[in-house]
Amino acid sequence: QSALTQPPSASGSPGQSVTISCTGTSSDVGAYNYVSWLQQHPGKAPKLLIYGVKERPAGVPDRFSGAKSGNTASLTVSGLQAEDEADYYCTSYAGTNNFVIFGGGTKLTVL
Amino acid sequence: EVQLVESGGGLVQPGGSLRLSCAASGFTFSAYWMSWVRQAPGKGLEWVANIKEDGTDKYYVDSVKGRFTISRDNAKNSVSLQMNNLRAEETALYYCARGGGTYGWEYWGQGTLVTVSS
Repeated sequence: QSALTQPPSASGSPGQSVTISCTGTSSDVGAYNYVSWLQQHPGKAPKLLIYGVKERPAGVPDRFSGAKSGNTASLTVSGLQAEDEADYYCTSYAGTNNFVIFGGGTKLTVL
Repeated sequence: EVQLVESGGGLVQPGGSLRLSCAASGFTFSAYWMSWVRQAPGKGLEWVANIKEDGTDKYYVDSVKGRFTISRDNAKNSVSLQMNNLRAEETALYYCARGGGTYGWEYWGQGTLVTVSS
């Protein structure tokens, strides 16, 4: 199955906002509201930031927000902080044959 | 506190087998799907397999179908991944995660490293 498409890198200065895109198809992102976003710092396990396109688990700051339009989902990080520098991955449910697919990941740099 | 502790990783030759285990605690294990997700060194994340709460439904990424088997023991609060005919490109850190992945995974283990090399 094809992976979701993310930009390999993104950057922003402290306090700014940055948006990371995640493009799939009408068989995954476009078909279901089951897009999630994960944050991973080097050497650490991933952390769930967003599920169900725009829902945040308890404890995740509201600086992180998710959205979807058609076959493209997005993660916006507002008020960038140094600790936001990490890799970000999107995932989507893709039906019972492929179940879950990942994006290739985006390395976010806080300038 | 939710805890997921993987074990069973190690060095195995191409074509060999390995069985990974994940011990869960701090939640009602039998009420959740469970998943395995892997990450090759320096690469991105890849979902490998998941299993329904009662073990009746199991799903796999295409590349491991027919070689990997996920199973669970709700009495022992554990989930396992039997990996046969391993390939060099499957060298990765294998994570156990709570949930099937539809809503992401909120809880992860620390991972167990599998190295496939001669």
